[in-house]
Amino acid sequence: NAGVTQTPKFRVLKTGQSMTLLCAQDMNHEYMYWYRQDPGMGLRLIHYSVGEGTTAKGEVPDGYNVSRLKKQNFLLGLESAAPSQTSVYFCASSYTERSQHFGDGTRLSIL
Amino acid sequence: RKEVEQDPGPFNVPEGATVAFNCTYSNSASQSFFWYRQDCRKEPKLLMSVYSSGNEDGRFTAQLNRASQYISLLIRDSKLSDSATYLCVVNSMNTGFQKLVFGTGTRLLVSP
Repeated sequence: NAGVTQTPKFRVLKTGQSMTLLCAQDMNHEYMYWYRQDPGMGLRLIHYSVGEGTTAKGEVPDGYNVSRLKKQNFLLGLESAAPSQTSVYFCASSYTERSQHFGDGTRLSIL
Repeated sequence: RKEVEQDPGPFNVPEGATVAFNCTYSNSASQSFFWYRQDCRKEPKLLMSVYSSGNEDGRFTAQLNRASQYISLLIRDSKLSDSATYLCVVNSMNTGFQKLVFGTGTRLLVSP
């Protein structure tokens, strides 16, 4: 059982570069989420989706865009990477708004 | 004030000890409460939900006090494998969507 799969696992970018993080889930979940986790800050919601074709902003959406063209995939884009976006990014999915299942994270460093 | 607050620890306990963590939340409208466990450099995983009447899962007991807006997690007979960070999580309504708000976690270290 794959569950929630994130790619890539690690990435180093230069300031100003763009990239896309991919999240795929095979549990037929409606809800999907992107979080970032920073020391002392806890998990913070970047964007979320309540179904295919829908996206909404979380608490820290600036500098990120998302797309949910297929139910199983939720993409997170960094338009122009900044050092402040250095973080660990987690994708999650859920059947309802509770009990989220997480991917194993993407460690992103922006130089 | 953070919406969910936890003592970051670390709590250092010997194997076999009983340890308790507390968590406070600020949104009195919150209806759902959880404890997640996160191992070092790993993803968070749901440990247990927290129900109003309190609930137990093996060595783990969760309690909710709505009047004081705090949640607790008790671990009995601690094992080395219990070493992890424990995240307190509550739901919060956001423009019609119930998002989960995560605490920063309490770190537990169980030693032989």
